[in-house]
Amino acid sequence: EDKVVQSPLSLVVHEGDTVTLNCSYEVTNFRSLLWYKQEKKAPTFLFMLTSSGIEKKSGRLSSILDKKELFSILNITATQTGDSAVYLCVINTNAGKSTFGDGTTLTVKP
Amino acid sequence: DADVTQTPRNRITKTGKRIMLECSQTKGHDRMYWYRQDPGLGLRLIYYSFDVKDINKGEISDGYSVSRQAQAKFSLSLESAIPNQTALYFCATSDLNSYEQYFGPGTRLTVT
Repeated sequence: EDKVVQSPLSLVVHEGDTVTLNCSYEVTNFRSLLWYKQEKKAPTFLFMLTSSGIEKKSGRLSSILDKKELFSILNITATQTGDSAVYLCVINTNAGKSTFGDGTTLTVKP
Repeated sequence: DADVTQTPRNRITKTGKRIMLECSQTKGHDRMYWYRQDPGLGLRLIYYSFDVKDINKGEISDGYSVSRQAQAKFSLSLESAIPNQTALYFCATSDLNSYEQYFGPGTRLTVT
């Protein structure tokens, strides 16, 4: 059975801190890993990763995939209160199935 | 206009009632998905469809059925709603090559 585990489940930091969110997985026929940010509405796409070792970057956010060790990390530097959200990791397989992790709830305090 | 729309946005219904949630998309994607989200949990896949003639069960399909009426429309039905189906339901689409998923705004369903 495909499995996606995110850690930590929740995290509280102060503005300006740097955070690292983790996503480990066990799936058959991995195709891609996606990160989403979800506030009080539908998830917003952040990154899609398909190859190991290539960092994707967007502003203060970055992510990298390790297909050998079966994990990905999402880094957020200089956090802001607007970064408070649930961050979801999802794995897509070649069969087209998507499996989501339970999410990491990030709270950034002023 | 939003690329993926869901109707209704909110619905309260009683146990035993049949209810349909609808999803429409203008992105021209072949693949469509229905998820539910419960407090403190991630998204769980209910059903997915790769094209009009292809319907697949997801992780939690019991108690649900779907219909892919056209490439742009994918409906989720609860034949006889029960309280533990109270959740936030999301429809999503993706194209054949990227697997990047585009989500609708969600339908908040309450079964009393």
